[in-house]
Amino acid sequence: QVQLVESGGGVVQPGRSLRLSCAASAFTFRNYGMHWVRQAPGKGLEWVAVIWYDGSKEYFADSVKGRFTISRDNSKNIMFLEMSSLRAEDTAVYFCARDIRSARLDVWGQGTTVIVSS
Amino acid sequence: DIQMTQSPSSLSASVGDRVAITCQASQDIRDQLNWYQQKPGKAPKLLIYDASNLETGVPSRFSGSGSGRDFTFTINSLQPEDFASYYCQRYDGLPTFTFGGGTRVDI
Repeated sequence: QVQLVESGGGVVQPGRSLRLSCAASAFTFRNYGMHWVRQAPGKGLEWVAVIWYDGSKEYFADSVKGRFTISRDNSKNIMFLEMSSLRAEDTAVYFCARDIRSARLDVWGQGTTVIVSS
Repeated sequence: DIQMTQSPSSLSASVGDRVAITCQASQDIRDQLNWYQQKPGKAPKLLIYDASNLETGVPSRFSGSGSGRDFTFTINSLQPEDFASYYCQRYDGLPTFTFGGGTRVDI
């Protein structure tokens, strides 16, 4: 079935970098925009970033702009979130999700946990 | 930036109750609003899109209404599996998204 699987989370010190991956299966990955959404412990959902279906455009939330980059490899059905200069407030579960018509997220991964702590 | 104000932040209800959650935008967003359900430790699930359209496979006891600035999400006859958190989400076509603060529905 249609599936997204995140990986790459872990514990990292403030100021360091981490790369998350999102592997897609059972759908034509190259046809869909893809997003990252995060959720800090006990908090609500926060949209993080989006990359267009062909990788030609990217948008970021102000809270991560200049520190996070997003990329994808359509030949391998995988998307990445490269996080640098990490802060304690970046601690969260990070979900990847599939975009429908630049409007809604219809398939989500199970999430990967990032903890930024010394 | 357009802000989304969701209320209440939490509510208590019983099985069989009718529950309503509201989401207000700081500016007119037409019908560019979706609703998600999230259970603890799980990913969100899309329930309603474009303010009032039921996602495929979602039970008909869930509904959405509204346009412009004011939106309502309703659960008719609350079921045990409906106890969860619910989020509104607006889109602007770029696509960048904004989520509401969430509503936790407890027994």
